[in-house]
Amino acid sequence: QQQVKQSPQSLIVQKGGISIINCAYENTAFDYFPWYQQFPGKGPALLIAIRPDVSEKKEGRFTISFNKSAKQFSLHIMDSQPGDSATYFCAARVPSGSRLTFGEGTQLTVNP
Amino acid sequence: GAGVSQSPSNKVTEKGKDVELRCDPISGHTALYWYRQSLGQGLEFLIYFQGNSAPDKSGLPSDRFSAERTGGSVSTLTIQRTQQEDSAVYLCASSLDGRIRTQYFGPGTRLLVL
Repeated sequence: QQQVKQSPQSLIVQKGGISIINCAYENTAFDYFPWYQQFPGKGPALLIAIRPDVSEKKEGRFTISFNKSAKQFSLHIMDSQPGDSATYFCAARVPSGSRLTFGEGTQLTVNP
Repeated sequence: GAGVSQSPSNKVTEKGKDVELRCDPISGHTALYWYRQSLGQGLEFLIYFQGNSAPDKSGLPSDRFSAERTGGSVSTLTIQRTQQEDSAVYLCASSLDGRIRTQYFGPGTRLLVL
């Protein structure tokens, strides 16, 4: 059962543009929603995360928007740079657990 | 070491053979996780260790998969009688205290079953 759906599968933006990646979840018990960035040949690295009692969290050029009623959350990358080109994964965690359920990933390409 | 290390980085094996994948977590990290990443897919949880015990092994896809952790440190993921569908990148992560904020992933072992 795919509990976290991510879109788009791939995304191409121009340098300086805004990259937007969306995720939708089914399990209302999820209590933590991290985003990961993965470069080729590397493991995923935590980028930014949000709890469901907050509607938005911003760290530098990265912002998570969270809509609890719609069970959706999204990652916005402002002023996208070629160095942001990577695969991005959203994830969700159930309370009292340590396992994460991941989305399918979005391959972002930022053209110079 | 500075980060989570995994070995081998690449493994090619024949269908039916057994393989062992190793994970060296960050020193002092009590929690350890194994995930599988198939081509074009997200990460799939396999097993979680707290110390040497595995309170959550619900993600292991079949009884051909097993994992152990010794001394609260190194972990080995064993796949017996490998099948072609086992081909994937196997990622290990460790966490200081089980929190996502202190969790770091290794670079993975790329397994190819011919």
